[in-house]
Amino acid sequence: DAKTTQPNSMESNEEEPVHLPCNHSTISGTDYIHWYRQLPSQGPEYVIHGLTSNVNNRMASLAIAEDRKSSTLILHRATLRDAAVYYCILRRRDDKIIFGKGTRLHILP
Amino acid sequence: DTAVSQTPKYLVTQMGNDKSIKCEQNLGHDTMYWYKQDSKKFLKIMFSYNNKELIINETVPNRFSPKSPDKAHLNLHINSLELGDSAVYFCASSFTGQGPNYGYTFGSGTRLTVV
Repeated sequence: DAKTTQPNSMESNEEEPVHLPCNHSTISGTDYIHWYRQLPSQGPEYVIHGLTSNVNNRMASLAIAEDRKSSTLILHRATLRDAAVYYCILRRRDDKIIFGKGTRLHILP
Repeated sequence: DTAVSQTPKYLVTQMGNDKSIKCEQNLGHDTMYWYKQDSKKFLKIMFSYNNKELIINETVPNRFSPKSPDKAHLNLHINSLELGDSAVYFCASSFTGQGPNYGYTFGSGTRLTVV
C-alpha cells in the first residue's frame, strides 16, 4: 500500500495561512495525491487533488514537489471551521486506499 | 439533497445479531465503497462495487457481505456480530472511469456498537 507520513497535529491562528505537509516517498508515477478532511462525527470531505502541477480550488491550494515525494496543502486564511483532521492519501488505479492518522489541525481564535 | 446517505446513523446491537447498513448515492457515480474506521481512527477500505460488480474485497470476515442492487445503492450486511465489529462504517462513491483523477464523496457514517 502506498504510504503517506503527516505530522500528528498542528496549530494555527485564525485568519492566518496554514501549510500542512505530507511525505509520500514511495509514490509511483500514476498515483494521484488527494487531500481530505474530517470534522468531528462526519465523514471525510474531499479537499483537493493533483498529479504533478500545483492546484488551486475554492477550498485550498496544493503544492506538489518536483520529485512528487512530498506535497503541501495550503489553507490561505484559516477559520475556526477549518479545525479538522486532514488526510493526505495516494489514490492508485487499484483504489485500495488506507487513510493514515492524518494531521489534527487546531485553529486558535 | 444529501449526496451519499447512510442509514442508520447509530446502531447498537447485541453480540450474535445480524444487522444491515444501507447506502444510497444520487451523484450518478459508478463505484461505491464501504470503509471501516476503527478506534484508532484508521480508515480502511473493505469493499468496492462498480456498476453492481464486486471489485475490491479486502481481508474482511465472511460475516460481512455487501450487496449492490443497482449502481446507486450499496448495502452492508453483517452476520453474527462480534464486539470487535464496533466501529464507524462509511459509505463512499466515486467515478472510476477517470481513474485516480477524481475524488471520493463520503457519507456521514454509521456508528455501530456491539454490546
